Amino acid sequence: KAGVTQTPRYLIKTRGQQVTLSCSPISGHRSVSWYQQTPGQGLQFLFEYFSETQRNKGNFPGRFSGRQFSNSRSEMNVSTLELGDSALYLCASSFQGQESEAFFGQGTRLTVV
Amino acid sequence: GESVGLHLPTLSVQEGDNSIINCAYSNSASDYFIWYKQESGKGPQFIIDIRSNMDKRQGQRVTVLLNKTVKHLSLQIAATQPGDSAVYFCAESRNNDMRFGAGTRLTVKP
Repeated sequence: KAGVTQTPRYLIKTRGQQVTLSCSPISGHRSVSWYQQTPGQGLQFLFEYFSETQRNKGNFPGRFSGRQFSNSRSEMNVSTLELGDSALYLCASSFQGQESEAFFGQGTRLTVV
Repeated sequence: GESVGLHLPTLSVQEGDNSIINCAYSNSASDYFIWYKQESGKGPQFIIDIRSNMDKRQGQRVTVLLNKTVKHLSLQIAATQPGDSAVYFCAESRNNDMRFGAGTRLTVKP
């Protein structure tokens, strides 16, 4: 079956702009989690959506938001981009949630200039 | 504060040897632990998980050991192969609040 698909793969944005990233989970999976990965901070949890509801949220400012649609596809949005938002954004899908086997996409590499 | 960390940032082993990657955690309330493998240019890949009511769990060529007394988690890879070269992350979780370690880079020498 198809894996987790993230689009776009690469993105360059200017400070102050906003960006929307998309994640299509594995068919049948209801949980989508988003993570930020940087060389300095490593992998950090952003939020998890399950059946269209945000179930958990990490310690990120309100500029980071997300949503999940009825087909389980998820989007995350970052507003008023800062240079420090440059990172690899990963999403993972699972049937039950983070505390179960999760499958990651290849990520979206966001560069803020 | 609470933290998840790895003892060694890099590990180099000979092909065919066994590898042991270690992870320390300090939140005694964590009840779920995962090991991930991340190859260059790819997202993390789930390897194995373990819940706090277990001490050991085995998969295909991998074993995870959990020592709750000293808050230590380890990943053992048997007969390490070149394809095992990657960065390995441990993660701990409590009520779906997941925290990741910094990662250990495993290099397998032919």
